[in-house]
Amino acid sequence: QKEVEQDPGPLSVPEGAIVSLNCTYSNSAFQYFMWYRQYSRKGPELLMYTYSSGNKEDGRFTAQVDKSSKYISLFIRDSQPSDSATYLCAMSSLGGAQKLVFGQGTRLTINP
Amino acid sequence: SQTIHQWPATLVQPVGSPLSLECTVEGTSNPNLYWYRQAAGRGLQLLFYSVGIGQISSEVPQNLSASRPQDRQFILSSKKLLLSDSGFYLCAWSRQGIGQPQHFGDGTRLSIL
Repeated sequence: QKEVEQDPGPLSVPEGAIVSLNCTYSNSAFQYFMWYRQYSRKGPELLMYTYSSGNKEDGRFTAQVDKSSKYISLFIRDSQPSDSATYLCAMSSLGGAQKLVFGQGTRLTINP
Repeated sequence: SQTIHQWPATLVQPVGSPLSLECTVEGTSNPNLYWYRQAAGRGLQLLFYSVGIGQISSEVPQNLSASRPQDRQFILSSKKLLLSDSGFYLCAWSRQGIGQPQHFGDGTRLSIL
C-alpha cells in the first residue's frame, strides 16, 4: 500500500464548476500538507501549504485537512481553463529526514 | 526572492554517453537540495537529497550519482547512460527544518536514444 493515494484521473469539468481534488494517506505522523500545481513540461509550483488539521483559503483555492480520516482536499471555486494542470498532494512528518511524500497527481481539464 | 535554475531544458543523448545536469539556487543560503525523476503518468521519485556541501543521500540504487560542490549548486551525473534513464528530471530546494515546502525548477527532459 502506498503511503499517499491520489486518483490520477483524468478529471474534466466545465468552466465555472467547483473542483474537488483529494488524497488519502496511511501515515498518522504526517503533519505538514501541501498542494502543487504542475503545468505540462514545467516543474510543480507550490499552491497551498497547511499544518495539521483545518482549512486554509487563498483566493479561489481552499485546502482542507482531516487528520482523523487521513484525508486532504483541495477545492477550486469558479474554475478557469487556466486551472487545467496536474495537481499533486505532498506531505511530511515531524520526525525523520526532511523529505516529502507525493501523491501520483490528478490531471485536471477545465473546458470552456 | 529565491529562484532556482535548471539546465538544459531538453537533452537528447545516446546510450552509453555521460550526463551532467546542473541546478543552482539564488537568494537563500544553506538550502536542502533534491533531485527527482518523474515518469509519464507516475509520481515524483526522489533520487538524491543533500542537507549540506558534500552531503548526499541516495534514495534508490541506480546508474546516477549526485554531487554538491558548492552551497547552492547541485549536479546530477552519470558515467554511462541507459535507455531506462530517460525521463523528466526535476531539481528542488527547501529551507532547512522539518515540514518545509519544496520549490522546483522547470526540469530537464532527457531522452536516451
